Parts: sequence; C-alpha cells; structure tokens
Amino acid sequence: KAGVTQTPRYLIKTRGQQVTLSCSPISGHRSVSWYQQTPGQGLQFLFEYFSETQRNKGNFPGRFSGRQFSNSRSEMNVSTLELGDSALYLCASSLGWETYNEQFFGPGTRLTVL
Amino acid sequence: KQEVTQIPAALSVPEGENLVLNCSFTDSAIYNLQWFRQDPGKGLTSLLLIQSSQREQTSGRLNASLDKSSGRSTLYIAASQPGDSATYLCAVNSGTGTASKLTFGTGTRLQVTL
Repeated sequence: KAGVTQTPRYLIKTRGQQVTLSCSPISGHRSVSWYQQTPGQGLQFLFEYFSETQRNKGNFPGRFSGRQFSNSRSEMNVSTLELGDSALYLCASSLGWETYNEQFFGPGTRLTVL
Repeated sequence: KQEVTQIPAALSVPEGENLVLNCSFTDSAIYNLQWFRQDPGKGLTSLLLIQSSQREQTSGRLNASLDKSSGRSTLYIAASQPGDSATYLCAVNSGTGTASKLTFGTGTRLQVTL
C-alpha cells in the first residue's frame, strides 16, 4: 500500500507570494491533517480535514487555509508569504472515523521564503 | 492547553546499550499517544501507538508504556544500534469529538556510537 505523498518536496518563494502544497493520503483514509515544523516552534497543528470539511483548526492566521477534495486529497495554501513561514510542512492521514485512529505522515514539503 | 515535554533533549550512547526516553504531558484527557522517529530533513515514521486504555505496546526492540493518570510515557529501546540514531518525538492525541489533534513534544535527539 502506498504511503502518504506530498508535492512538491521543495519550494522556494519570495515574500508576498502565495504557495499551494498538495497531500495525497493513504488509500482509504478520509482524514488529512497538516502540521508546520520549525526549529523554534517544533511541530504545530494547522488543521484537519475529513470528508471535505475542516474538522479542527490550530492557532494560525487566516493566511493559512486548506481544502480537501472528494478523493480525500488535500491542498494547503499560504498567502502573502512571510520569512517566518519557512518551514517543513507535513501532512498526516488516518482512517478518520475515530479520534484514536493512527496517524501516518508524509515526507513533507520544505518551503523556503526569501 | 496541552503541553508535551521530552527529556532528555539529546542523548549519546554506545552501541548495544539499552536506553529510555521520557515524555510527559499536562492534560491526561488523551485518546492515545504515538511515538515517532524523524531522520534529518525527513518526515515522521510511526513507531508505536498506545491507546488511552492500554498500558504498553511492543514492537521488536521497542517498548512504550503509558501512565495516563500521571501524564507520562516512556520509550524503551533495547540493544541500541547506530541505525537507531534519529530524533524521537512523542505526540498526544487530544482532539474533540471525532477530530484528531496531535500535540508534539520537542523531541529527543539520539546518537548511537560505534
């Protein structure tokens, strides 16, 4: 069974631009969560989607948004990029039907904002 | 607000040694706890998942325990090998309803020397 895939793996953008990251969950998984990892803040929860609906949200500004498609693939968008948005963005998928379902992570997208 | 702490922050041991990594959390209302491994610049690999009703889980040379009432978990690695060198992260799932939300510790960086 294929794991969680994320594209692209690396991105370089400049301040003020916007960016879209993509995540394809494990086949059969309905939940996709997004996390930001930085050296200073560690891993922080952005949001979770289940069946095309945002089910949970972390404490990030409105510049961070996401969506999920009917095939459970998810995209995350960051508008008006700031230097502090440079990070490894990880997505995780799970069956999603129960809170206790195990989370499986993708390899991440490394975003560098210049 | 859930807070997760991992001690020690870094650990260096000679090959063959048994070791224990510690994780503590402030809110005992969790659904489960996962231990992950992260290699430099990579995504997270799930090692063990302990549901809130369980006391421990084992996989090969790894054993994780959970004491929910005291807010503690330990990851025991037997007969360490150089390939075990990585950062180990614990994460507690304290979502609401059916929504998952993982709160991560800052990790323990492990180096196993020859």
